[in-house]
Amino acid sequence: GENVEQHPSTLSVQEGDSAVIKCTYSDSASNYFPWYKQELGKRPQLIIDIRSNVGEKKDQRIAVTLNKTAKHFSLHITETQPEDSAVYFCAATLMSNMLTFGGGTRLMVKP
Amino acid sequence: KAGVTQTPRYLIKTRGQQVTLSCSPISGHRSVSWYQQTPGQGLQFLFEYFSETQRNKGNFPGRFSGRQFSNSRSEMNVSTLELGDSALYLCASLPGQSYNEQFFGPGTRLTVL
Repeated sequence: GENVEQHPSTLSVQEGDSAVIKCTYSDSASNYFPWYKQELGKRPQLIIDIRSNVGEKKDQRIAVTLNKTAKHFSLHITETQPEDSAVYFCAATLMSNMLTFGGGTRLMVKP
Repeated sequence: KAGVTQTPRYLIKTRGQQVTLSCSPISGHRSVSWYQQTPGQGLQFLFEYFSETQRNKGNFPGRFSGRQFSNSRSEMNVSTLELGDSALYLCASLPGQSYNEQFFGPGTRLTVL
């Protein structure tokens, strides 16, 4: 089955800096890669996703890149703000209703 | 449109007991997936139901089971509870087609004493 590894497990940045979180996946058949943000005590919420026929996708301060050959994808957050502090999860799947998640990254943005 | 709802939100049980958790998907969504979230194991897929049929199952023991009703509401059951079953149980719904965002419910926090 699919296996997703996520790094780093914790990330501390200064407000205004950029943050990058990286994930690798094992199953070359996976074709959908969402990123979720989970604030303390709340449910995971999708922040951006990318499909295997696209190499990059951007939504305001958030971007995701996908390298199918290397089987890795990354989340980039620019101009970080304190409200970006949360746990971020990457995931990979061939079928979008059965997600395999990475271990999560706790992002702390210091004001 | 109402979001995904889960009941109860919190549960405390003792070892050996069984528990049933409920999930009501977004109206019109026919697929419901269940996930277990723990600090040690992260988010792990349990199973997925579509039109009252289990389509996929994760790597969990047979003590974990589920079902889906004709109105798409889903329940999961855990029998013979163990301390390690303490977790946040999340359900997610989507319309049933591929390439759609999964909408998560608030979760049920299960504590096994």
